[in-house]
Amino acid sequence: DVKVTQSSRYLVKRTGEKVFLECVQDMDHENMFWYRQDPGLGLRLIYFSYDVKMKEKGDIPEGYSVSREKKERFSLILESASTNQTSMYLCASMGTNKNIQYFGAGTRLSVL
Amino acid sequence: GENVEQHPSTLSVQEGDSAVIKCTYSDSASNYFPWYKQELGKGPQLIIDIRSNVGEKKDQRIAVTLNKTAKHFSLHITETQPEDSAVYFCAGRSAAGNKLTFGGGTRVLVKP
Repeated sequence: DVKVTQSSRYLVKRTGEKVFLECVQDMDHENMFWYRQDPGLGLRLIYFSYDVKMKEKGDIPEGYSVSREKKERFSLILESASTNQTSMYLCASMGTNKNIQYFGAGTRLSVL
Repeated sequence: GENVEQHPSTLSVQEGDSAVIKCTYSDSASNYFPWYKQELGKGPQLIIDIRSNVGEKKDQRIAVTLNKTAKHFSLHITETQPEDSAVYFCAGRSAAGNKLTFGGGTRVLVKP
């Protein structure tokens, strides 16, 4: 069965902290994505990666960075967390030449 | 870039009735339109998709229609059941890449 695992379901951080959100997939997928989900705004793409060490900016990359050192793991980094980054973060993966994105259960991040 | 708008934002229906969610897109080059369902506490999951060379697709109680000329597509759920209660997202993907652009989501509540 397909599995995308996000390391934390809930996270509370302080303004200015460096935050790491981790995502692991077990399907040997080339493509991985990070989205944030906010009410009424749907899912907005932050960054994606189509191969190890490769990354591309999505629609809202400001304030975020990513790391893909291994194929199965894609990390989202908030260098200095701010209150406007309080949100639900969703990770997804997709195989090459496939259409389906498989999502993790999400990490709800609160920045106080 | 692509812009996808989704309506309504909330939809309440009586069990057994039909539910319809509509989306419009801006990029005439988009050629793939998936629908995702997100149940409480879970990540979105693909329920049906349609390509631009097809006008309609059906899978049991759900169907999707696409009007390329008008650049809109719709999700139809017939004989709704309580387990259809969830948030539904439409999305579009340009022929150029792997990125999906999501609509704002529709919260569907099926009342028993």
